[in-house]
Amino acid sequence: DAGVIQSPRHEVTEMGQEVTLRCKPISGHDYLFWYRQTMMRGLELLIYFNNNVPIDDSGMPEDRFSAKMPNASFSTLKIQPSEPRDSAVYFCASSFSTGGYQPQHFGDGTRLSIL
Amino acid sequence: AQSVTQLDSQVPVFEEAPVELRCNYSSSVSVYLFWYVQYPNQGLQLLLKYLSGSTLVKGINGFEAEFNKSQTSFHLRKPSVHISDTAEYFCAVTGGSYIPTFGRGTSLIVHP
Repeated sequence: DAGVIQSPRHEVTEMGQEVTLRCKPISGHDYLFWYRQTMMRGLELLIYFNNNVPIDDSGMPEDRFSAKMPNASFSTLKIQPSEPRDSAVYFCASSFSTGGYQPQHFGDGTRLSIL
Repeated sequence: AQSVTQLDSQVPVFEEAPVELRCNYSSSVSVYLFWYVQYPNQGLQLLLKYLSGSTLVKGINGFEAEFNKSQTSFHLRKPSVHISDTAEYFCAVTGGSYIPTFGRGTSLIVHP
């Protein structure tokens, strides 16, 4: 079975540029999560969707960050304009309807470097 | 509210030695508990989970964990580690919010 697929795996860009990260969740999963991982702050939940609808975006750090899920098989996380402090590994994860007992399935992440 | 504390940020151990990675949680409701493993340049993978029933749960790669409700702990153990077990390990809890809360992670470093 295909797992969660993220692209690109690595992204290096200059400050001020727009960055778009992509995620394809596991087919049939109705929850999708975006996380950011850094050494300083660990794993942070940015936003999650249920049935393509954003439920909680309280973890999105600033208005420069936005996320969409136009259909059940695709989501994007966009940073515009990007800043060096946005450098991190960004993970997408999906799960079945969560009664709390369903584990999350993670992609391999996008390593983002903003110069 | 729920929270997870992983007491050790780094655990060095020699190959073939036993290891325990500690995890304590707090929650006002019944919980589900998880351990995930993250190998370098990869995402998190489920190692094992406790939902209900037997308090000793077994996972992949020879790992096991014991749920202790009175001590609000869910420590991860392996009787004999391998070099390939070197990775980051995350404890996670879900309770009333149904959305997991992750610990800060413990880096297991296995030396030859």
